[in-house]
Amino acid sequence: DSGVTQTPKHLITATGQRVTLRCSPRSGDLSVYWYQQSLDQGLQFLIQYYNGEERAKGNILERFSAQQFPDLHSELNLSSLELGDSALYFCASSVGQVNEQFFGPGTRLTVL
Amino acid sequence: GIQVEQSPPDLILQEGANSTLRCNFSDSVNNLQWFHQNPWGQLINLFYIPSGTKQNGRLSATTVATERYSLLYISSSQTTDSGVYFCAGSGGSYIPTFGRGTSLIVHP
Repeated sequence: DSGVTQTPKHLITATGQRVTLRCSPRSGDLSVYWYQQSLDQGLQFLIQYYNGEERAKGNILERFSAQQFPDLHSELNLSSLELGDSALYFCASSVGQVNEQFFGPGTRLTVL
Repeated sequence: GIQVEQSPPDLILQEGANSTLRCNFSDSVNNLQWFHQNPWGQLINLFYIPSGTKQNGRLSATTVATERYSLLYISSSQTTDSGVYFCAGSGGSYIPTFGRGTSLIVHP
């Protein structure tokens, strides 16, 4: 158990819908990262927050947004969902801005 | 961002065999990690190794930062070692990049 929690574990929804994925980092970690893992694209970095501020941005679509709250938990919002958004979404956390990352168990999103 | 190349892409071993997995980076990385993704999808930290050599039981890793590569050694492999092994790192842009992974199957 890495100490990073993600909810929900599984999510099934329809095209066009909006969902919110939640992540709680390890105790003491200030950075939260979001990743998308799909069969064709592999593990892709989406976005990083450090102590509430956006730190780095990767291949995150405009339909996706994220934020980190004062208690350091983070949410990833996915809107206008498409079939291709079906994937495993991971959250990771680290102590600082560039440190060892620890991954949560992931949320498996299926868009029908 | 940096490019990460892992080899081999697939590996099939008999239990008890040894193996070496390689990770090449296109540029210097600040924070290199090795992960094991088990058949249930969990990503498990193996090593945080920006440089040098580390050992943990049957696993060890070496990173030669000046030559932009890292090696993961698995000795006396067991069926529970099966899964996908990823390396990842970030360069000056702080964008973490993962390799495509090495898929390992260990037969009893």
